[in-house]
Amino acid sequence: DGGITQSPKYLFRKEGQNVTLSCEQNLNHDAMYWYRQDPGQGLRLIYYSQIVNDFQKGDIAEGYSVSREKKESFPLTVTSAQKNPTAFYLCASSTSSGGSEQYFGPGTRLTVT
Amino acid sequence: GENVEQHPSTLSVQEGDSAVIKCTYSDSASNYFPWYKQELGKRPQLIIDIRSNVGEKKDQRIAVTLNKTAKHFSLHITETQPEDSAVYFCAADPGGYQKVTFGTGTKLQVIP
Repeated sequence: DGGITQSPKYLFRKEGQNVTLSCEQNLNHDAMYWYRQDPGQGLRLIYYSQIVNDFQKGDIAEGYSVSREKKESFPLTVTSAQKNPTAFYLCASSTSSGGSEQYFGPGTRLTVT
Repeated sequence: GENVEQHPSTLSVQEGDSAVIKCTYSDSASNYFPWYKQELGKRPQLIIDIRSNVGEKKDQRIAVTLNKTAKHFSLHITETQPEDSAVYFCAADPGGYQKVTFGTGTKLQVIP
């Protein structure tokens, strides 16, 4: 299960608090992604980054923010503006060319009460 | 943007039977179509993929077919086994710097 890691596995927060999810990869991949997984809704793209210091919004970026200061790291912050943050979050990486396999991390389950 | 529809959402088959999952996509620019398997409590993993210049690809009991004209592609699993039970996701990828779009998933149950 090496290559791409996420921490923590479970995260609990109170409403109104920002929380940052960690994603690290040692695959030397240029591209990294954040997905949200809810039952029956598949994998929805939050943000993606093709290169250091650059990232694009996905389909559900509102209430989330990211940074890509290092090739290996792509942290996701869930802000208090996200109306329904409780979900399973998956990070992934791939080679930069597009049209290639995505390698997923083990995921972080976030619960906000 | 790209829209990927996946059917059925759930599928139950008897062990040894075949299973077929179908996906349609809307963007003709998509040229890479991977399939991922997610077992309960685990991360999605690629099981097979196909590129737009190929019509069919097989890997042991798994095959994928692509019809570019109709914009649909399918996953075929033959001689199903209990360990095939999982959620399967299709995806459409236009390559370059464009985002990948996933289907909503199919929960496959193989009944022993």
